[in-house]
Amino acid sequence: GQQVMQIPQYQHVQEGEDFTTYCNSSTTLSNIQWYKQRPGGHPVFLIQLVKSGEVKKQKRLTFQFGEAKKNSSLHITATQTTDVGTYFCAGLKNTGNQFYFGTGTSLTVIP
Amino acid sequence: GAVVSQHPSRVICKSGTSVKIECRSLDFQATTMFWYRQFPKQSLMLMATSNEGSKATYEQGVEKDKFLINHASLTLSTLTVTSAHPEDSSFYICSAPHRMNTEAFFGQGTRLTVV
Repeated sequence: GQQVMQIPQYQHVQEGEDFTTYCNSSTTLSNIQWYKQRPGGHPVFLIQLVKSGEVKKQKRLTFQFGEAKKNSSLHITATQTTDVGTYFCAGLKNTGNQFYFGTGTSLTVIP
Repeated sequence: GAVVSQHPSRVICKSGTSVKIECRSLDFQATTMFWYRQFPKQSLMLMATSNEGSKATYEQGVEKDKFLINHASLTLSTLTVTSAHPEDSSFYICSAPHRMNTEAFFGQGTRLTVV
């Protein structure tokens, strides 16, 4: 079954504050992806991490893949109201080709 | 990016009837598609992996006779919810990777309500 957990489940921040969501898997992952889903919408791909310890940046977003390839994080610097949505990690196990989604973190940004 | 189209976006059906949901990759061929189910404010739960030309692979706890999957061509996978019950009401969403183990493109999702 799916065993990818994310914390926190919900996060409310003031606009301009930073935000971080953490993704943890019970098993080693081949790679990990991050998606953003707006209310009423479908998940939209943000990034994929493959290498142990990898760090990637997209403007105000920083993504990390843990050394053991069991955890990952997404950090948003100086949040904006457009960052509102639910952020999901999705892990690909070393066996198989299915991605399992994390439990998600719902971000609310207060103007 | 690549486009995945899902139809219908919303459907209301009576208990006991069957509903078919289509997932099409519009500008690329998808040998594999994934079907997820999402309850309100919850994560996407992988139901099954649809493989073109072969049987679908179902996740543990998902009834294959209840959720029939057909992937007859490289651009179309269908999910049929058979003998639907109110507890089958949910948001069903498909995805297809452009290439294996790369980013997945999601359909718009189907909101199923069984009355």
